[in-house]
Amino acid sequence: KAGVTQTPRYLIKTRGQQVTLSCSPISGHRSVSWYQQTPGQGLQFLFEYFSETQRNKGNFPGRFSGRQFSNSRSEMNVSTLELGDSALYLCASSLVGTGGLGNTIYFGEGSWLTVV
Amino acid sequence: SQQGEEDPQALSIQEGENATMNCSYKTSINNLQWYRQNSGRGLVHLILIRSNEREKHSGRLRVTLDTSKKSSSLLITASRAADTASYFCATGAANTGNQFYFGTGTSLTVIP
Repeated sequence: KAGVTQTPRYLIKTRGQQVTLSCSPISGHRSVSWYQQTPGQGLQFLFEYFSETQRNKGNFPGRFSGRQFSNSRSEMNVSTLELGDSALYLCASSLVGTGGLGNTIYFGEGSWLTVV
Repeated sequence: SQQGEEDPQALSIQEGENATMNCSYKTSINNLQWYRQNSGRGLVHLILIRSNEREKHSGRLRVTLDTSKKSSSLLITASRAADTASYFCATGAANTGNQFYFGTGTSLTVIP
């Protein structure tokens, strides 16, 4: 069974540009969540989608957005990139959307974004 | 912030020794999970412990949870060089979907 797949793995963007990252969850998983990891802030929750609806959102500016398609694949977009957006962006999927009840989430390898 | 903290931040041990790392968190939880991350890679799920459990084992891993102290510990027995990685705890609360709060991580180095 294939794991969580994220593309692209590495990318370099210029300040002011926008970027779209893609995530394909494990087959059958309906919940997809996104995290940003930086050396200074650690792992920070961005948002979660379940059945094409955003269910939770972290404390990030509106430049960060996402969506989920009917096949559960998800994309996140960052507009007007800033240097501080340089990070590892991790996508995670789970079978159901009730993590609080003990649902394991599985992570992809991440997308390394460098903003110059 | 609900973010937890791992202690110690860094740990270096000899192969074959045991490694213990601790996690403290701030709010009530339904479950706590431990993850491993090799440098520059994604997170690998290790073990999940529910709030009504006190101890759980998986292979060379032993996790304890003390909800009264809002803390958890991860013990890796008979460590191997391949255990070298960063270890994170993540807490999940009720009615938050799959929004997890991660600790700051413990960087473990196992010297062959």
